[in-house]
Amino acid sequence: AQKITQTQPGMFVQEKEAVTLDCTYDTSDPSYGLFWYKQPSSGEMIFLIYQGSYDQQNATEGRYSLNFQKARKSANLVISASQLGDSAMYFCAMRADNTDKLIFGTGTRLQVFP
Amino acid sequence: DTGVSQDPRHKITKRGQNVTFRCDPISEHNRLYWYRQTLGQGPEFLTYFQNEAQLEKSRLLSDRFSAERPKGSFSTLEIQRTEQGDSAMYLCAADYGYTFGSGTRLTVV
Repeated sequence: AQKITQTQPGMFVQEKEAVTLDCTYDTSDPSYGLFWYKQPSSGEMIFLIYQGSYDQQNATEGRYSLNFQKARKSANLVISASQLGDSAMYFCAMRADNTDKLIFGTGTRLQVFP
Repeated sequence: DTGVSQDPRHKITKRGQNVTFRCDPISEHNRLYWYRQTLGQGPEFLTYFQNEAQLEKSRLLSDRFSAERPKGSFSTLEIQRTEQGDSAMYLCAADYGYTFGSGTRLTVV
């Protein structure tokens, strides 16, 4: 069965510092994709970054990068130079290529303080 | 402004009433998904459409739930005889999950 585990219910980081949000996954499918989303208090899920299981390089999108370690089945999100507006819930999700649904973790609440 | 519009944003209803939510992708997307998110949890898959065809339904989708996408554009999710356990955020997504709407928060009292 596919599963996403986010073990950090909450994280604090000071503005302008970097922070890593952990995500581990479990799947027996060789082909899959990993997603990170940001969910502010308003509720919408904002797509941040995607990593395919066969991608050779770690994905990056601006201040977001994904530390993909396939052997460890981890896909940690790194946010560099944190901003106050980064305070939100962050969800890791996975989709195997033979399905169409996303499996989400329970999320990590990130709080950025001045 | 997301590429998926959901209406209403909030709905409060009495137990036993029927409710209907609408999801409207701004641009054409073949795939449209519904997810449900309860407090403190990540979203859970409910169902998805390829154009107007409903291709998969989760076991979470009891007989009281029905979803349609009649013309392959907007979609509706109806819950009949609502229960307190239906209280959740209902999220719609398009574009294989890259684009989510702002959700409809349902409270059943």
